[in-house]
Amino acid sequence: ILNVEQSPQSLHVQEGDSTNFTCSFPSSNFYALHWYRWETAKSPEALFVMTLNGDEKKKGRISATLNTKEGYSYLYIKGSQPEDSATYLCAFRNFNKFYFGSGTKLNVKP
Amino acid sequence: GAGVSQTPSNKVTEKGKYVELRCDPISGHTALYWYRQSLGQGPEFLIYFQGTGAADDSGLPNDRFFAVRPEGSVSTLKIQRTERGDSAVYLCASSPLGSGSVNEQFFGPGTRLTVL
Repeated sequence: ILNVEQSPQSLHVQEGDSTNFTCSFPSSNFYALHWYRWETAKSPEALFVMTLNGDEKKKGRISATLNTKEGYSYLYIKGSQPEDSATYLCAFRNFNKFYFGSGTKLNVKP
Repeated sequence: GAGVSQTPSNKVTEKGKYVELRCDPISGHTALYWYRQSLGQGPEFLIYFQGTGAADDSGLPNDRFFAVRPEGSVSTLKIQRTERGDSAVYLCASSPLGSGSVNEQFFGPGTRLTVL
């Protein structure tokens, strides 16, 4: 069983704060690292797919970095807004199987 | 519809009953995944289809769980003799073939199964 860990489990920030979360995964047999955003009562939505060590991806105020040698990825949100409130999941991909972390639940207070 | 759909959205059943959960993937997507998410945990892999065949069913917890995809499109997850521990959100995702070495998954909204 592959262990994918996310921290923190939950996070409460004020609107306008910047924040970041961590995803830790095995450094061997790496294929890809996926980030998803999951709002309550909706489908998980893909944010990023990262494949190369040193990858940096950005979408609006959200960005992510990848270190495959040490087995971690960071997700950053700049200037958090209430609509950013969701659970952020990472998934380590080993060929055709995805191993998910338990997520970081973000609550942004207006 | 453009996205992955799952029916029913909620299912309440009694211990020992049989249930079927349905997934309609995005048209043309050849890969289909089933996951189970228990409270406080991330989605847990159950089974992966490539076309009509189950390419990897190593995540199915026991022989009460079975999934089919007879025409390479719609998939049904079947659970026999349900137990209270089967209560969870069951997620389906589909993915196109190709896209280089990395395929993105597109998720449905899930079916919340409650076994009383």
